[in-house]
Amino acid sequence: GAVVSQHPSRVICKSGTSVKIECRSLDFQATTMFWYRQFPKKSLMLMATSNEGSKATYEQGVEKDKFLINHASLTLSTLTVTSAHPEDSSFYICSAGAPGTGELFFGEGSRLTVL
Amino acid sequence: GDSVTQMEGPVTLSEEAFLTINCTYTATGYPSLFWYVQYPGEGLQLLLKATKADDKGSNKGFEATYRKETTSFHLEKGSVQVSDSAVYFCALLMSKSTFGDGTTLTVKP
Repeated sequence: GAVVSQHPSRVICKSGTSVKIECRSLDFQATTMFWYRQFPKKSLMLMATSNEGSKATYEQGVEKDKFLINHASLTLSTLTVTSAHPEDSSFYICSAGAPGTGELFFGEGSRLTVL
Repeated sequence: GDSVTQMEGPVTLSEEAFLTINCTYTATGYPSLFWYVQYPGEGLQLLLKATKADDKGSNKGFEATYRKETTSFHLEKGSVQVSDSAVYFCALLMSKSTFGDGTTLTVKP
């Protein structure tokens, strides 16, 4: 099946710094990617839809200035958590729809810990 | 909007027991339906899918049938193993994906 890769898988940062997480589709082109946040023992919460070459579409309640999304190419979307705080600590997951398959492929997830 | 309701967990079974995890959905239109599995500390893996009514998805002994009349996509396995212990998510896909809350399954030897 199609492969979506995230990097880094784990990151620890100090409060107030910014962290960038990358999501790559390795063997297909993705015009749309999705970013989720997962709290411990909870479901995935869709944060935003990343559109190649245009602005991301954010879900209600998600701060677009805090969670910057850039989809500069058909194989790469990035999520930057700006001025991170401990409450931003979470598991962030991306997904991309492989054309013609009708399904989403997920990255491995990135665990962010803000000290 | 679209929604997915999953059976609440956690579910604890003995090895070789029969498993059912209920999932129902509401959607405007005809979504694709999925079951994903998440092992501790990992991302989501697709377990099985169905893209139209009466389709049956199956993988690794797990099955689920897309029932339009009852808007359901229940996950079943005839004989669970310890290695099946994980969190299972039911999801639908229209223009974007919607996930259920997840059901934690623990299988004891």
